[in-house]
Amino acid sequence: QVQLQESGPGLVKPSETLSLTCTVSGVSISSFYWSWIRQPPGKGLEWIGYIYYSGSTNYNSSLKSRVTISVDTSKNQFSLKLTSVTAADTAMYYCSRLWGYYDSSGYYDAFDIWGQGTMVTVSS
Amino acid sequence: SSELTQDPVVSVALGQTVRITCQGDSLRNYYATWYQQKPGQAPVLVIYGKNNRPSGIPDRFSGSSSGNTASLTITGAQAEDEADYYCNSRDSSDNHVIFGGGTKLTVL
Repeated sequence: QVQLQESGPGLVKPSETLSLTCTVSGVSISSFYWSWIRQPPGKGLEWIGYIYYSGSTNYNSSLKSRVTISVDTSKNQFSLKLTSVTAADTAMYYCSRLWGYYDSSGYYDAFDIWGQGTMVTVSS
Repeated sequence: SSELTQDPVVSVALGQTVRITCQGDSLRNYYATWYQQKPGQAPVLVIYGKNNRPSGIPDRFSGSSSGNTASLTITGAQAEDEADYYCNSRDSSDNHVIFGGGTKLTVL
């Protein structure tokens, strides 16, 4: 079955760059959209952005200046880089598949498969 | 940009029916999708589209929508349904993904 696994440092210093990778297994990354979503401790979900295998991206406006999502089809992985981090970026980071579907009224999408998440703490 | 509003806390007696709502202008043009998140776990998709359940989701979960409000209904709530529930949609102005703030469901 399709599985996603996040990996990367659990501790990042303020002002540095957070880098995470999501490894996809069970399906080729060369279809679907792939996304990063985060959740600060005790708070709700925040969409960070998504990427298509072709490389086209869409980012949350509030993070756009600091975020880069990239894809490596040869490794079936996609990655997140978030620059100039602060304590406010401390969160559980999830990677997810954004699955698109059609119904009678048009095209829609949903996050149908999620990784287990990786906790990233920003602290000196 | 659009927002999705959810009641922070909802409770239901065991075996009873509960409705969790999500309000936002974007819902007039785009379905809400619903996720269940239990403590220490990743979210799980429970309802998508007009009223569709992924494989493995019990049929006591259903979705509906009217105007700017989408609802997730649990008919005959079970103890294992105690969780946080999030809705998501697309911002109609820029097509960005948006999430509601989440509803903590307590089963009494």
